[in-house]
Amino acid sequence: DSGVTQTPKHLITATGQRVTLRCSPRSGDLSVYWYQQSLDQGLQFLIQYYNGEERAKGNILERFSAQQFPDLHSELNLSSLELGDSALYFCASSASGQGRSEQYFGPGTRLTVT
Amino acid sequence: AQTVTQSQPEMSVQEAETVTLSCTYDTSESNYYLFWYKQPPSRQMILVIRQEAYKQQNATENRFSVNFQKAAKSFSLKISDSQLGDTAMYFCAFMKHTGAQKLVFGQGTRLTINP
Repeated sequence: DSGVTQTPKHLITATGQRVTLRCSPRSGDLSVYWYQQSLDQGLQFLIQYYNGEERAKGNILERFSAQQFPDLHSELNLSSLELGDSALYFCASSASGQGRSEQYFGPGTRLTVT
Repeated sequence: AQTVTQSQPEMSVQEAETVTLSCTYDTSESNYYLFWYKQPPSRQMILVIRQEAYKQQNATENRFSVNFQKAAKSFSLKISDSQLGDTAMYFCAFMKHTGAQKLVFGQGTRLTINP
């Protein structure tokens, strides 16, 4: 158990819908990262937050958005869902926003868009 | 942009054997971090080992060790005395030392340990 929690574990929804994925980092970790794992794209970095502020952005679609709250939990919002958004979404956390801090991954949320 | 390449999509060995997984990367950075992550059938991503580019000594964690060749941009993972629980997808990953702290992953190697 990494100490990072993600809810829900599984999510099935229809095209065009909107969903919210939730992540709670390890106790004391200030940085949260979101990654998407899909069959065709592999594991891709989406976005990083550090202590409530956006720190880095990767291949995140405009239909996707994220935020980190004062209690440091984070939410990833996916809207106007398409079939291709079906993937495993990971949240990771680290103590700081710097590379010397390892990123610890949560168990992931499996999203299926039908 | 950094890229990570794992040229072995699948590997299979017998229990107790030693296996080496290959990884090459491309970067213009002089300082960076390299990682191996394990993803068992449970899908959990587990950090196996980490290497800092400025350290010449190869990292070791119990049965896991790396061969880091900075000039060749190569970062292989050796698993000694392989166990059934080592069966998993293994991902090589790169992270810059400064700037965006994102992990750039390779496509993965599916490793099967046979009894």
